[in-house]
Amino acid sequence: AQKVTQAQTEISVVEKEDVTLDCVYETRDTTYYLFWYKQPPSGELVFLIRRNSFDEQNEISGRYSWNFQKSTSSFNFTITASQVVDSAVYFCALSHPYGQNFVFGPGTRLSVLP
Amino acid sequence: EAQVTQNPRYLITVTGKKLTVTCSQNMNHEYMSWYRQDPGLGLRQIYYSMNVEVTDKGDVPEGYKVSRKEKRNFPLILESPSPNQTSLYFCASSSPGLGNTEAFFGQGTRLTVV
Repeated sequence: AQKVTQAQTEISVVEKEDVTLDCVYETRDTTYYLFWYKQPPSGELVFLIRRNSFDEQNEISGRYSWNFQKSTSSFNFTITASQVVDSAVYFCALSHPYGQNFVFGPGTRLSVLP
Repeated sequence: EAQVTQNPRYLITVTGKKLTVTCSQNMNHEYMSWYRQDPGLGLRQIYYSMNVEVTDKGDVPEGYKVSRKEKRNFPLILESPSPNQTSLYFCASSSPGLGNTEAFFGQGTRLTVV
């Protein structure tokens, strides 16, 4: 069975602080994809990143960075110098190799205070 | 523009009154699926479809029906809605292939059953 755990239910930081959102996953597949989605207060799901199981290279996109470690089954997300606009619920997700079934974590609500 | 369109965005209905939430995608994707989002539970898959006339149950299919008569459309049917189906619903579509497994999500349908 596949499972995604996001142990942090809610996080509050002050603007400009760095914050890391944790994601731990379980799967028996050797090939899989990991994702992060952002859900702002408006409710839509915004795609942030996709990472396949064969690519453990960390990725940086502006203030966002992702740390994928297969040894610990983790795919953590760091926001550097957080901004109020980063306030949202963030979901980590795992999919089968061909993307037809997504398993989502429960989400982490991030509040960035001015 | 690639998109998944759900309608309606908001719906308030009464217990037992049949309703349909429509979902349409313009990307010629084979895979489509429905999720419901509830606080603390993340998104859970209701039904999915791997192609026309091919559908299967997800994790929480009770009380829902789907159909896939055309590739672009995947309606979600609640034959006799109950208050425990009050939730935020998302439709998603994706295409098979190791290099292309991002799921495109609709804007969401917020359903309230009273």
